[in-house]
Amino acid sequence: GAGVSQTPSNKVTEKGKYVELRCDPISGHTALYWYRQSLGQGPEFLIYFQGTGAADDSGLPNDRFFAVRPEGSVSTLKIQRTERGDSAVYLCASSLISGRSNEQFFGPGTRLTVL
Amino acid sequence: AQSVTQLDSHVSVSEGTPVLLRCNYSSSYSPSLFWYVQHPNKGLQLLLKYTSAATLVKGINGFEAEFKKSETSFHLTKPSAHMSDAAEYFCVVSDYNNNDMRFGAGTRLTVKP
Repeated sequence: GAGVSQTPSNKVTEKGKYVELRCDPISGHTALYWYRQSLGQGPEFLIYFQGTGAADDSGLPNDRFFAVRPEGSVSTLKIQRTERGDSAVYLCASSLISGRSNEQFFGPGTRLTVL
Repeated sequence: AQSVTQLDSHVSVSEGTPVLLRCNYSSSYSPSLFWYVQHPNKGLQLLLKYTSAATLVKGINGFEAEFKKSETSFHLTKPSAHMSDAAEYFCVVSDYNNNDMRFGAGTRLTVKP
């Protein structure tokens, strides 16, 4: 079975532009997570979906960041008016259900570079 | 809120010698703890997890970790390093439902021939 996939693998954009990053979770996984990993740091939680709804978006840094999961499967992370500080690897993970014993499976990430 | 501190940013060992990657956690309740490995250009892979069962946890590729509540530690060990173990390792603590996972800064493991 396929794992978590993310597209594009690399994205280069200019300051001020809008970008969308896509995540395809493992089929049947109801929980989906977004993280941001800056250079030399561990991943930082951004947002978590249970089904179609955002159960916890407390990690989104500001209102330029937004994520959707309209059909409870694929998710898109949207960043408006990108800034150089947004440059990072954006990771997506999914789990079968949310809960104490569940493992999150991670995708390979999208490397975003804002020039 | 929970957090983890990985005490070494870089560890270098010779092939065949033991590996010790140190992690201390902070949590106001009974935590879940994980170790993930990240090879270059690959996704994070779960090595092992502790979720309040046995305090000595065995994972994949010969790794294990021991939960020590008195020391608030969850150090990762392996008796004999292999060249393929060279990677970045992350210690992670989460809330009760594993939805708010807090990663450490990572430890880069180098294995010398």
